[in-house]
Amino acid sequence: QSALTQPASVSGSPGQSITISCTGTSSDVGGYNYVSWYQQHPGKAPKLMIYEVSNRPSGVSNRFSGSKSGNTASLTISGLQAEDEADYYCSSYTSSSLGMVFGGGTKLTVL
Amino acid sequence: QVQLQESGPGLVKPSQTLSLTCTVSGGSISSGSYYWSWIRQPAGKGLEWIGRIYTSGSTNYNPSLKSRVTISVDTSKNQFSLKLSSVTAADTAVYYCARDYMAFDYWGQGTLVTVSS
Repeated sequence: QSALTQPASVSGSPGQSITISCTGTSSDVGGYNYVSWYQQHPGKAPKLMIYEVSNRPSGVSNRFSGSKSGNTASLTISGLQAEDEADYYCSSYTSSSLGMVFGGGTKLTVL
Repeated sequence: QVQLQESGPGLVKPSQTLSLTCTVSGGSISSGSYYWSWIRQPAGKGLEWIGRIYTSGSTNYNPSLKSRVTISVDTSKNQFSLKLSSVTAADTAVYYCARDYMAFDYWGQGTLVTVSS
């Protein structure tokens, strides 16, 4: 199974909005609503930010939102804050292994 | 609050088998419709899903690792385990265990496994 495709890096200024894309195929992102997003700060375990394309777990800021169109999912962070600077990973269920697959990760820099 | 904790040797010799255990606390590993996954991350690189087990014992593996991976569960100890055979330096990574409901909502802190002679 191939990794999902994410941009290597994105950046934005405090208060701005950014969007991170996650492109897969009809066997994963496009075929199922099991796309999730994770935030990872250096030296820490990843944290679930979005599940099932657009749902936020309890305690996650509503500045984080998710969507999907075709084979591409997106994570949008509005009102950027310095604490949002981290690596972000998407994940999806994939029928190729009946398991899960991650994107390559995107480094978000808050300028 | 569910908590997961990885344990096992931090150093494994090339060609040997890497063995890790994940202990789940704060809830029964058998309750609910959850999978239990292993995920790894080489230093400075991205996350790689290794495989998962359902409480029934059924498993799914990453095709790129399938020939070398075995995941098992011990419900009496509330644990699940990973075995990765014939390791090389490329298997050096931080290994995480996580609860999997088509999204990974609870993670262990991760454990660094180095493959070196």
